[in-house]
Amino acid sequence: DGGITQSPKYLFRKEGQNVTLSCEQNLNHDAMYWYRQDPGQGLRLIYYSQIVNDFQKGDIAEGYSVSREKKESFPLTVTSAQKNPTAFYLCASSAQGTGFTSNYGYTFGSGTRLTVV
Amino acid sequence: DQQVKQNSPSLSVQEGRISILNCDYTNSMFDYFLWYKKYPAEGPTFLISISSIKDKNEDGRFTVFLNKSAKHLSLHIVPSQPGDSAVYFCAASEGRGGADGLTFGKGTHLIIQP
Repeated sequence: DGGITQSPKYLFRKEGQNVTLSCEQNLNHDAMYWYRQDPGQGLRLIYYSQIVNDFQKGDIAEGYSVSREKKESFPLTVTSAQKNPTAFYLCASSAQGTGFTSNYGYTFGSGTRLTVV
Repeated sequence: DQQVKQNSPSLSVQEGRISILNCDYTNSMFDYFLWYKKYPAEGPTFLISISSIKDKNEDGRFTVFLNKSAKHLSLHIVPSQPGDSAVYFCAASEGRGGADGLTFGKGTHLIIQP
C-alpha cells in the first residue's frame, strides 16, 4: 500500500542537541512538506520541497533545516537554534502537475512527537 | 496575523443532530478550501474541499458551504455520529494547487454526545 511514513513516533532530545525526523513516501509525489502543531494551534508550515534538490522556507523555518536528495525522502533536522522545539511534527506529500484532485492528493504521515528533556 | 480563523475551540453536539463548524479567512487570494479531521497523535485526514468558484459541495453526510463575499465557510455534518468526535481543521490554498503549502486554522474540537 502506498503511503507516507514518519519515524520515530516519539523522540526525546536533550537541550543543545540536533535531532533528525524521518519522512518517507512511496506515493511518487513530487512535493513534500513539514508542518508543526502545538497545543491549541493549527498546523504551521516549516519547510517544503516541490522537486528533488530544491526546497523553500515556510512560515516558521528558523531553527530547522531540511534536505531533499531523493524524491521519496524529506528529513527534517531540528537544530539547537530552535528555541521551543517541543511539538508534534507532521510530514505531508502531494502530487503536483497531475491535474485537479479534490485535495491535491495531500497525504499526511502519522506524526512525530518531539520532547526536549 | 491569522489568515484562517476558527473562532470556536470546541463544539458539543448531540448524536443524530447537525454539527456546524465555521471558518473565516482574510486572504482574498485563497482559491481553494479544505477540511481535515484529526485524532490525537495522528495525522489529519482529508474530509471535503471546495473551490472558490463554487458555493456548495456535498459528500455523503458532509457538506461545505462557501460565502466568498463574507469570506466565510462552514462544514455541516448530518447526522452527527460518535465517530465524528475529533478536531476539525479548516485549510486554504492560494493558487498553484497548494504547491506552496496550506494555511490552517487552529481547529475546532467537535464532541458528539450520546
